[in-house]
Amino acid sequence: GAVVSQHPSWVICKSGTSVKIECRSLDFQATTMFWYRQFPKQSLMLMATSNEGSKATYEQGVEKDKFLINHASLTLSTLTVTSAHPEDSSFYICSALGGFGTDTQYFGPGTRLTVL
Amino acid sequence: GNSVTQMEGPVTLSEEAFLTINCTYTATGYPSLFWYVQYPGEGLQLLLKATKADDKGSNKGFEATYRKETTSFHLEKGSVQVSDSAVYFCALYSGNTGKLIFGQGTTLQVKP
Repeated sequence: GAVVSQHPSWVICKSGTSVKIECRSLDFQATTMFWYRQFPKQSLMLMATSNEGSKATYEQGVEKDKFLINHASLTLSTLTVTSAHPEDSSFYICSALGGFGTDTQYFGPGTRLTVL
Repeated sequence: GNSVTQMEGPVTLSEEAFLTINCTYTATGYPSLFWYVQYPGEGLQLLLKATKADDKGSNKGFEATYRKETTSFHLEKGSVQVSDSAVYFCALYSGNTGKLIFGQGTTLQVKP
């Protein structure tokens, strides 16, 4: 149980284009999901907290107009990187809280984004 | 504020050696504590957790005990395998913020 999937697992795009990454909780409902970014050999950096049916809460320094987050259902959150640039190349990982009142996050397998 | 500090890596061990990865934390209140493992090119997998003082989390031969008196949650395994080679993250859950606070990660390399 508590499986989180991400799609795609890797994507290459041209500079200036937009890329959408999906995060799904497969066997549980997640009112809260999180989006992280990870640079090589570093820890995870929280980008935003996504709550179903409401606007995402972004961490300081994260451009909300560049990283659009939509949590339209209890099992799906999407991250859209708009007008991507090479510096947006990174490993993006989502997680989902395992249920109401829980303290445990379950992570997706990550998406490797490369912007040319 | 809340924070997590892990021992510097990489940690290199021979197969069947004993493993300890140190983790200490600073937090207000009574946070839940976690160990996650990340294999190359993958997301994080929950390894074990503990929710209150003196709790011991265990999974796949790994153990960690929530020590409030020393604010520690050290990860141990009695006999490591090559397949345990990965990056290990210690984390605490802050109920106040609803966020996970991660340590910097410790790379474990196990050689045959």
